[in-house]
Amino acid sequence: DGGITQSPKYLFRKEGQNVTLSCEQNLNHDAMYWYRQDPGQGLRLIYYSQIVNDFQKGDIAEGYSVSREKKESFPLTVTSAQKNPTAFYLCAAGDRVAEKLLFGSGTQLSVL
Amino acid sequence: LAKTTQPISMDSYEGQEVNITCSHNNIATNDYITWYQQFPSQGPRFIIQGYKTKVTNEVASLFIPADRKSSTLSLPRVSLSDTAVYYCLVGNQAGTALIFGKGTTLSVSS
Repeated sequence: DGGITQSPKYLFRKEGQNVTLSCEQNLNHDAMYWYRQDPGQGLRLIYYSQIVNDFQKGDIAEGYSVSREKKESFPLTVTSAQKNPTAFYLCAAGDRVAEKLLFGSGTQLSVL
Repeated sequence: LAKTTQPISMDSYEGQEVNITCSHNNIATNDYITWYQQFPSQGPRFIIQGYKTKVTNEVASLFIPADRKSSTLSLPRVSLSDTAVYYCLVGNQAGTALIFGKGTTLSVSS
């Protein structure tokens, strides 16, 4: 089954701590995305990557970092600089023809 | 980047047809229009995509007028399980910044 795997499903962060959210895909898609969703709100773009070793900031990149060392992996690090990290984080991958994105099941991040 | 505007919420009853309209006045020539459905605590799911005129699949229809400045998602005979948030997304290629709007919350009652 081709798809997007996000882990963990739930994550807790202590103040001042960096945490990393995992996103893996076996779709062989070039493009990958990270979105943040706050309760009752829409999706906001954090980072996106069109190809390995390349990524671009989205609308709310401050306090986050990413890497794209392998085509199938696009991890997101929530740094201590992100003062309000509690949210639902969604990873997606898309083909290059048009943006039919496939989303993972999400990671709920909370602050202890 | 084409910005999208949708109604915040809509209410319907089971068995009715629901039409959700999205405005995208500055859509580019090579942009596609894609609709997604999202249930609570899940990632959005692709519903339908189109470029112009009408597209139909097993779950929905998408109507796009000639000027392409808006689009309408049509859900025939909705059921309680269609209660969800619906997003329209405008863009031309994966790998570019794909910006979602706020979505439309559809509530279906019996």
